[in-house]
Amino acid sequence: EDKVVQSPLSLVVHEGDTVTLNCSYEVTNFRSLLWYKQEKKAPTFLFMLTSSGIEKKSGRLSSILDKKELFSILNITATQTGDSAVYLCAVCSGAGSYQLTFGKGTKLSVIP
Amino acid sequence: NAGVMQNPRHLVRRRGQEARLRCSPMKGHSHVYWYRQLPEEGLKFMVYLQKENIIDESGMPKERFSAEFPKEGPSILRIQQVVRGDSAAYFCASSPQGANTGELFFGEGSRLTVL
Repeated sequence: EDKVVQSPLSLVVHEGDTVTLNCSYEVTNFRSLLWYKQEKKAPTFLFMLTSSGIEKKSGRLSSILDKKELFSILNITATQTGDSAVYLCAVCSGAGSYQLTFGKGTKLSVIP
Repeated sequence: NAGVMQNPRHLVRRRGQEARLRCSPMKGHSHVYWYRQLPEEGLKFMVYLQKENIIDESGMPKERFSAEFPKEGPSILRIQQVVRGDSAAYFCASSPQGANTGELFFGEGSRLTVL
């Protein structure tokens, strides 16, 4: 069975701190890894990673994938209170490319 | 351009009743997916539908659960004779074509509470 493990499960930081969220996976027929941000509503897409070693960047957020070691990290620099959310990692694998396997998420709380 | 619309946002049912959850995909999207998020768990795939077709229901419980996406109208996830264990958030997602690399657009979810 495909498995996605995120760590830490929760994290509390002060505004301005830099955080690193981890995602490791064990899946068959890996296609892509995705990061979503979930506030108290719809998960919103952040990044999709398919190749090792290529950093994806959007503002203060960046992510990279290591397909050899089977993990990805999501970095957030200069955190703001608006970054408080649950960050979900999901892996797309197998014949059903729509079948995402999600981790339980990392709950990030940014305090002023 | 409205996103994926789900209703109701919150639904309370007693054990044994039926729950119907609706999902309208984003404009231009013809592929719909349902995911379930149990408390303290990650989202889990349930079913993938196109108009009038169930493409993959491998994640659906074998009994009491059904889904449809008619030619007209929203996709509906139906749970018959609900039990407490059905309490969860049910998320719908859509994509313009079969999501080749997994980029799905999610709705805000319908939270079902079974008393």
